Amino acid sequence: DTAVSQTPKYLVTQMGNDKSIKCEQNLGHDTMYWYKQDSKKFLKIMFSYNNKELIINETVPNRFSPKSPDKAHLNLHINSLELGDSAVYFCASSHAPSTEAFFGQGTRLTVV
Amino acid sequence: AQSVTQLGSHVSVSEGALVLLRCNYSSSVPPYLFWYVQYPNQGLQLLLKYTTGATLVKGINGFEAEFKKSETSFHLTKPSAHMSDAAEYFCAVSETSFGNEKLTFGTGTRLTIIP
Repeated sequence: DTAVSQTPKYLVTQMGNDKSIKCEQNLGHDTMYWYKQDSKKFLKIMFSYNNKELIINETVPNRFSPKSPDKAHLNLHINSLELGDSAVYFCASSHAPSTEAFFGQGTRLTVV
Repeated sequence: AQSVTQLGSHVSVSEGALVLLRCNYSSSVPPYLFWYVQYPNQGLQLLLKYTTGATLVKGINGFEAEFKKSETSFHLTKPSAHMSDAAEYFCAVSETSFGNEKLTFGTGTRLTIIP
């Protein structure tokens, strides 16, 4: 069983479109995250949720809106996609904030 | 705020040689430290972690790291490199300040193994 799964794995879309990435974890963790990895492999946190409550929003444009319907899911919706949004987006979860995180396989988003 | 510096964005070693990947951290509180590995087109996998206790920690795939508080370092080593070790390696430190709990990652080191 996959611990942290995200879909889709690849997403190619045109500028201006709206898209969503879904994430689910079956580890029973309380905390979930979205990280963005750019073309230089730099990883930066975007959002962190603990028990469905937003605890970190790292100066991400408000075109990005996370939603956590329950502790096992954290989805990412992106409005009005821009070329600069092209990156790999990773979902992760941890037992508690700032403890070791378990990562999904990533979603490679390409905006054309 | 905590930060991580990984010296050397690219490291090449011969198969069978010692692997040494450097990581220095900055933290105002006792840190939790992590090494992750990322294989091409995959997510990050935890190699090892230091929280408290023994400063030499052993991880998967024969890797180990030593926490040195006086040097603010957490370097990753492996005695003998295998071709399968070729990957990107990330050092991370935990932020534990209230309302800002997260992992902060270094910029990564790409390890290449020379046959």
